[in-house]
Amino acid sequence: GEDVEQSLFLSVREGDSSVINCTYTDSSSTYLYWYKQEPGAGLQLLTYIFSNMDMKQDQRLTVLLNKKDKHLSLRIADTQTGDSAIYFCAEFGFKTIFGAGTRLFVKA
Amino acid sequence: DTGVSQDPRHKITKRGQNVTFRCDPISEHNRLYWYRQTLGQGPEFLTYFQNEAQLEKSRLLSDRFSAERPKGSFSTLEIQRTEQGDSAMYLCASRDREGNEQYFGPGTRLTVT
Repeated sequence: GEDVEQSLFLSVREGDSSVINCTYTDSSSTYLYWYKQEPGAGLQLLTYIFSNMDMKQDQRLTVLLNKKDKHLSLRIADTQTGDSAIYFCAEFGFKTIFGAGTRLFVKA
Repeated sequence: DTGVSQDPRHKITKRGQNVTFRCDPISEHNRLYWYRQTLGQGPEFLTYFQNEAQLEKSRLLSDRFSAERPKGSFSTLEIQRTEQGDSAMYLCASRDREGNEQYFGPGTRLTVT
């Protein structure tokens, strides 16, 4: 069946890079998304990548996609305290399937 | 355009009561999605509309749940005979015909006492 898995927690120091990993199962996914959710807030679309791409860069964000291993990662360069949030990976085929989210803690 | 809006933002109801939530998608977005999010989890897909047609329903959507999008614009999600297990954040999202980006509303937090 369809499933998206993420590690639950990540802690980094301010200024370091953060790498959040995700694996998915549906090879027919057309897009893969990264969303950010701050406490009590809705989901903010950060970036997405087509399933036929390997990499996408958008300012401090770099998305890498390994289609063979069905592995997706989000790298945040120069992580700031304002980046502390929950990050969700999601795969989109006919519908969107979300992972449980990775909680990023940024230490000053 | 102010994005996807949802009403109400919070709803507290007693077990057994019916509740209805509304979602207004981004104008001209023909695709509309409903999700449910419980604490510590990612959003779970409930149902999907393309214009006024409901094209997909999750097995999570029991008989007590019904969704409509009568004119292909706003949508409503009704839960009948609410149970404590229905307590969650109900999220709506929309997407346009050719766009790749799915935008979420702020959600309606339901508490069933």
